[in-house]
Amino acid sequence: NAGVTQTPKFQVLKTGQSMTLQCAQDMNHEYMSWYRQDPGMGLRLIHYSVGAGITDQGEVPNGYNVSRSTTEDFPLRLLSAAPSQTSVYFCASSRGGWGTPMNTEAFFGQGTRLTVV
Amino acid sequence: AQTVTQSQPEMSVQEAETVTLSCTYDTSESDYYLFWYKQPPSRQMILVIRQEAYKQQNATENRFSVNFQKAAKSFSLKISDSQLGDAAMYFCAYRREETSGSRLTFGEGTQLTVNP
Repeated sequence: NAGVTQTPKFQVLKTGQSMTLQCAQDMNHEYMSWYRQDPGMGLRLIHYSVGAGITDQGEVPNGYNVSRSTTEDFPLRLLSAAPSQTSVYFCASSRGGWGTPMNTEAFFGQGTRLTVV
Repeated sequence: AQTVTQSQPEMSVQEAETVTLSCTYDTSESDYYLFWYKQPPSRQMILVIRQEAYKQQNATENRFSVNFQKAAKSFSLKISDSQLGDAAMYFCAYRREETSGSRLTFGEGTQLTVNP
């Protein structure tokens, strides 16, 4: 059971380039989300999805797009990379929806360290 | 909006001793969950302990325990008999139920160093 798999683990981009961070989970979780981690700021929510075909913005969505065509996959697209997007990105998944206990554990991928130069 | 604050960017402890990491949060909800996550240098996020807001009893997991003060909106983590493997970044997190899912709100993190 792989859990949450993120690729790539490291990436260097030039300003203006676009790329997609991949996230896949094999636990049949409804809820998936993307966070970015910056020093002194913890993890901040970028976008999230409560199921295939449903996505919504989090706290810091600007410059990022997401889609959820299947339950398993939740890619994050950087449209035109900027140095301010240099960060560590985490994908997470958990059971979700009404009736799911709030103590449900969120499972995280191992992160992608992205540097934009 | 809910906020979570960890006022200690760095903490250190001697091996075998006890350390307490602080966390405060702000919410108008009465029902929610609180979590502590550990992030070692591998970057993997590991759930350490969780606490239900409507339970007065403090959660305990082996050497890890919490001091949950609901009225004060405080949720501190105590690590007893600290081990070298406890060295990591620790994040406090808050979750409430929402119609569109159950997102986590994280604090800024506390970097814990364990000295041999």
